[in-house]
Amino acid sequence: NAGVTQTPKFRVLKTGQSMTLLCAQDMNHEYMYWYRQDPGMGLRLIHYSVGEGTTAKGEVPDGYNVSRLKKQNFLLGLESAAPSQTSVYFCASSYFREDILFFGSGTQLSVL
Amino acid sequence: AQSVAQPEDQVNVAEGNPLTVKCTYSVSGNPYLFWYVQYPNRGLQFLLKYITGDNLVKGSYGFEAEFNKSQTSFHLKKPSALVSDSALYFCAVRDKEEDSNYQLIWGAGTKLIIKP
Repeated sequence: NAGVTQTPKFRVLKTGQSMTLLCAQDMNHEYMYWYRQDPGMGLRLIHYSVGEGTTAKGEVPDGYNVSRLKKQNFLLGLESAAPSQTSVYFCASSYFREDILFFGSGTQLSVL
Repeated sequence: AQSVAQPEDQVNVAEGNPLTVKCTYSVSGNPYLFWYVQYPNRGLQFLLKYITGDNLVKGSYGFEAEFNKSQTSFHLKKPSALVSDSALYFCAVRDKEEDSNYQLIWGAGTKLIIKP
């Protein structure tokens, strides 16, 4: 009963490096989301997807790209990491738009 | 513009006492309202939601919240706090009429500390 699984859990990057965060869900959810969490700011939506093959920008999309080639997977990419991208990243999924969100356990990313 | 305010960064309550975590919101239409809880080093977990109907919503772990349209509030409550309730609590809102907007707007979070 995995739910939403994120990998990796921790990562340290140097400025300019690239990386991909993987999110996988086994609940057959249509909607998937990437959020970042910063102290005192709640969660901010980076990108989201309303179904396989679709992606859309959220509140803070700059510096990130996403792909949803398979329904169960939602990838978040950082092409050239910046210190401002140091954050905790959460993936979430839901069956439909007004449904509750199921979250992964997060990825703590530090960019030096 | 939509917004959510959680006016208290931290709430301290003695075990066994009632607790309230406050949330006020601003949307142009009618709201969908949610509460989530985050335990240390974990993802967020759903507690309860208000979509329509009864203003008093009951959720997980004995929590409840009351939707007050006139005060645009959705405060989270529990009659008797447990030490295990200590966590970070987030309120979130979405405007029902914003069909093109898939975004939940999140409050900054309130740290709840229950002391034995």
